Amino acid sequence: DAGVTQSPTHLIKTRGQQVTLRCSPKSGHDTVSWYQQALGQGPQFIFQYYEEEERQRGNFPDRFSGHQFPNYSSELNVNALLLGDSALYLCASSLEVYTEAFFGQGTRLTVV
Amino acid sequence: AQSVTQPDIHITVSEGASLELRCNYSYGATPYLFWYVQSPGQGLQLLLKYFSGDTLVQGIKGFEAEFKRSQSSFNLRKPSVHWSDAAEYFCAVALMEYGNKLVFGAGTILRVKS
Repeated sequence: DAGVTQSPTHLIKTRGQQVTLRCSPKSGHDTVSWYQQALGQGPQFIFQYYEEEERQRGNFPDRFSGHQFPNYSSELNVNALLLGDSALYLCASSLEVYTEAFFGQGTRLTVV
Repeated sequence: AQSVTQPDIHITVSEGASLELRCNYSYGATPYLFWYVQSPGQGLQLLLKYFSGDTLVQGIKGFEAEFKRSQSSFNLRKPSVHWSDAAEYFCAVALMEYGNKLVFGAGTILRVKS
C-alpha cells in the first residue's frame, strides 16, 4: 500500500505565478483534504473533496481552488502567488468524510 | 470558535525520562481527539485517537493519552522517552458531524538530551 502520495516534493515559484499540487489518496480512500502548514505553525484546513465536490472550506481566499478526479486523486491550485503562500502543503485522505485521515509527506512551496 | 491550545512550544527531556505534552481544546461538544507526530520536513503520522469509550487510549511507539472531559484536555504521555522521539507533536480535534476536518494546535517541539 503506497499510502498518500504527493507531488512534487518541492518547488519554487515567483510571486504572481500559479501553481498546481497533486495528491493521490491511500488505496480505498475516497475523500481528500488539503492543509497549509506555515513555518512554525500547525496545519490549517484549506478544503475537502468528496465525490468530486468541495464539501467543506476553511478560511482561505478564492485564489485557492481544487479539484477531485473520478479516481479520487486531487489537485490544489493557487493563483496569483504571494510570498505568504510559502508553506508545506499537506494532503490527507480518508474513507468517506467521517473516518480518520492519513497524511502524505507534503509539498514544500517556496514563493520568491 | 473551535480552538486547540498546546501551551508548551518547546520541551526538553532526558532520554529515559517520562514525558507529558499538554493539550486543551475549546468546543461546545466533545470532539474527536488526535495526536500526530511530525519529523522535520515530513508529513504527519497519527499516534493515537479518541472517539469514545475508555478515556485512556494507547497508541503507537509506546504513547498514551488521557481524555479528561472536565478539563477539556487530552494530554499525551510516554513513560520513557527515546532519542528517536525528538520531533514536533500536534494535538488536533474534529467534530465528526462536520466531517473529519481537523483543527490543530500550534505544536510542541520535543528535544531529547542524552
